[in-house]
Amino acid sequence: NAGVTQTPKFRILKIGQSMTLQCTQDMNHNYMYWYRQDPGMGLKLIYYSVGAGITDKGEVPNGYNVSRSTTEDFPLRLELAAPSQTSVYFCASSFGQPTRNSPLHFGNGTRLTVT
Amino acid sequence: AQSVTQPDIHITVSEGASLELRCNYSYGATPYLFWYVQSPGQGLQLLLKYFSGDTLVQGIKGFEAEFKRSQSSFNLRKPSVHWSDAAEYFCAEYRNMLTFGGGTRLMVKP
Repeated sequence: NAGVTQTPKFRILKIGQSMTLQCTQDMNHNYMYWYRQDPGMGLKLIYYSVGAGITDKGEVPNGYNVSRSTTEDFPLRLELAAPSQTSVYFCASSFGQPTRNSPLHFGNGTRLTVT
Repeated sequence: AQSVTQPDIHITVSEGASLELRCNYSYGATPYLFWYVQSPGQGLQLLLKYFSGDTLVQGIKGFEAEFKRSQSSFNLRKPSVHWSDAAEYFCAEYRNMLTFGGGTRLMVKP
């Protein structure tokens, strides 16, 4: 069982470039999430999805897009990279809402630098 | 709006000493609260959670946390810290989304 897999692990982008952060899970989880982690700020929710074909904005969605065409995959797209998007990005998944017996499972993160 | 506060950015304790990491939440009479741990280069792992009932909850790796409604707190404790506990710890609260505190980095002195 691989759990939540994120690729790439590291990436350096120039300002204005675009890229897609990949996330896939093999646990048949309905809910998937993208967070960004900045020092001293904890994790901020960018987007989330409660099932295939359904996505919704989190706290900090500006500059990002997502899609959820399958249960397994939840890619995060940066269209015009900006230095403010330098961060560590975490994908997570859960079977249902975390208030039930369905904890979040996290990937190992993608460290993105925009210069 | 929800907010979760972890007042201590860094804490250093000696191996074998007791540990308490502070967390204050701001929303709701019956919050859903969590503690996560993040080892370097890793994602977050759930230590424990509180939904209702007994205010003292036990988690993995010998951690426990106590919910105190009067203080809006959910502090994490461990009676005797091991060097392998060095990591960053995050408190989180769930309403319609999971909101994390800023984290506390724990260092353990030998």
